[in-house]
Amino acid sequence: DTAVSQTPKYLVTQMGNDKSIKCEQNLGHDTMYWYKQDSKKFLKIMFSYNNKELIINETVPNRFSPKSPDKAHLNLHINSLELGDSAVYFCASSQVGGNQPQHFGDGTRLSIL
Amino acid sequence: GENVEQHPSTLSVQEGDSAVIKCTYSDSASNYFPWYKQELGKRPQLIIDIRSNVGEKKDQRIAVTLNKTAKHFSLHITETQPEDSAVYFCVGNQFYFGTGTSLTVIP
Repeated sequence: DTAVSQTPKYLVTQMGNDKSIKCEQNLGHDTMYWYKQDSKKFLKIMFSYNNKELIINETVPNRFSPKSPDKAHLNLHINSLELGDSAVYFCASSQVGGNQPQHFGDGTRLSIL
Repeated sequence: GENVEQHPSTLSVQEGDSAVIKCTYSDSASNYFPWYKQELGKRPQLIIDIRSNVGEKKDQRIAVTLNKTAKHFSLHITETQPEDSAVYFCVGNQFYFGTGTSLTVIP
């Protein structure tokens, strides 16, 4: 069983479209995260939720909206996609707080045409 | 909270040699320091971590040292093998990843 699963694995779409990425974890963790990894391999935190509550919201454009229907799911919706949004998006989870090991999903490679 | 500096950005070593990667953080309240390994096209995976109540931790060929006064911590890999080739990330200031070190072990 995959501990942290993201769908889709690949997403190719046109500029201006709206898309969503889903993430689910079966580890019983309370905290979930979204990271963006750009072409230079920098891993930058975007959001973190603890038990459905937003606890970190980095300087991310408001075109990005996370949604956590329950503590096992954290989805990412992106409106009006731009070329600069092309990246690999990783979901992760951990036990509560920022001082625990994170378990990552396999990533979603988003390509904007 | 973003300032986590990681050096070097690239590192090439001969198989069997040691590799050392260093990170510096800024948040004095930080008390957990993990290292992640990311192979090409794969997800980051935790390889070792240390908490601020200890200065060193070792797991077979991998060790991490922490200097809280100087706010830096280092990853040490001994007897490197080709399968150690990957990008390594430190994490400091709770959620902030270092800029990554691309390690190549030359057979």
